Amino acid sequence: ETGVTQTPRHLVMGMTNKKSLKCEQHLGHNAMYWYKQSAKKPLELMFVYSLEERVENNSVPSRFSPECPNSSHLFLHLHTLQPEDSALYLCASSQEPGSGANVLTFGAGSRLTVL
Amino acid sequence: GQNIDQPTEMTATEGAIVQINCTYQTSGFNGLFWYQQHAGEAPTFLSYNVLDGLEEKGRFSSFLSRSKGYSYLLLKELQMKDSASYLCASMDSNYQLIWGAGTKLIIKP
Repeated sequence: ETGVTQTPRHLVMGMTNKKSLKCEQHLGHNAMYWYKQSAKKPLELMFVYSLEERVENNSVPSRFSPECPNSSHLFLHLHTLQPEDSALYLCASSQEPGSGANVLTFGAGSRLTVL
Repeated sequence: GQNIDQPTEMTATEGAIVQINCTYQTSGFNGLFWYQQHAGEAPTFLSYNVLDGLEEKGRFSSFLSRSKGYSYLLLKELQMKDSASYLCASMDSNYQLIWGAGTKLIIKP
């Protein structure tokens, strides 16, 4: 496989459930990102990892917990979510974080619905 | 504050030309990106401008005016497959991307 792969593509969960989103990149990139995409809103950056170290955490509620075990894999652990957390969660990777020409390669996203 | 403005939706005809505008206000500037996102798919990189002027890539061109805080994406010879959302993003002085809400482009036969 090439590019950025996200699983699952669709997830429905109750507010008391615990689930995880997985992202894998096969591009040899140094940085990985989690974004939240809600309808008609700008992309919201949630977390950034550079060389497996978290470098950004944009005031994201603690019910979202990221994990980056190595430079190719990124997880987003979910627990006690709220209905307003329903959105498309996009994973991305890039080669040169902290540079101007930092092109992101995105996965197709995980569509999350919280009941 | 930092802000990106782009139209919510635009409609154009197959074979025609369309220009999608983007204005930005960011703390510092390290370039302007355009991404294309088809429904249910990943955003994909289209262009990056850091200097003023027009950059052409086949049917797509991107323009930047730093003094005006303005960019546009120009799509020529529109095809049905160009129906998608187009995301504008400005990179600030900390190399953080500030995103617009996207422009949904509808192509009609």
